[in-house]
Amino acid sequence: NAGVTQTPKFRVLKTGQSMTLLCAQDMNHEYMYWYRQDPGMGLRLIHYSVGEGTTAKGEVPDGYNVSRLKKQNFLLGLESAAPSQTSVYFCASTLATYNEQFFGPGTRLTVL
Amino acid sequence: AQSVTQLGSHVSVSEGALVLLRCNYSSSVPPYLFWYVQYPNQGLQLLLKYTSAATLVKGINGFEAEFKKSETSFHLTKPSAHMSDAAEYFCAVSDRTRTSYGKLTFGQGTILTVHP
Repeated sequence: NAGVTQTPKFRVLKTGQSMTLLCAQDMNHEYMYWYRQDPGMGLRLIHYSVGEGTTAKGEVPDGYNVSRLKKQNFLLGLESAAPSQTSVYFCASTLATYNEQFFGPGTRLTVL
Repeated sequence: AQSVTQLGSHVSVSEGALVLLRCNYSSSVPPYLFWYVQYPNQGLQLLLKYTSAATLVKGINGFEAEFKKSETSFHLTKPSAHMSDAAEYFCAVSDRTRTSYGKLTFGQGTILTVHP
């Protein structure tokens, strides 16, 4: 099993550009999450999904959109990137809410 | 809303010394509690978790944590540090309510440095 994979690993954008980050899991997990990690702030939840076709806002959702058309995939979109969105983005998934979350390797995004 | 405080953003120990990383949470109802480790340029890996029952939880790589309800704490310890333990450690909590959907609230992280 590959676990949780993220594409791409690195990306540099100019302010105002758009992009989509892809998260895929092969563990048949219902719950999926997108977090961003910034120095000294830990990880903060952007959006999450409790099943195929569902999405919900987390702690820091502004400037991001998500979609979960297939159970195994969770997409994070930036419609108009801003320098404040420079961060490392992690996707995670879990089978049940009391279980551990499995994390992907991360995507390092720089917005100039 | 839940909050998690990790005391000390950097902790430095000598190889073979005790490792103690502190975590306190704010909740009147004990949440699910987790410790994750992040090695450089990698994702997070679960060290251990507390969901119920035993208050002393053993994890991987010789780490353990004790849940103390009266102190709202879940400190992480390891009796003897190894060079390979150098990493960033995150404490995280999740509400036990069904509608929390497993969402995690993380502490700010503690970078552990191990000196020879």
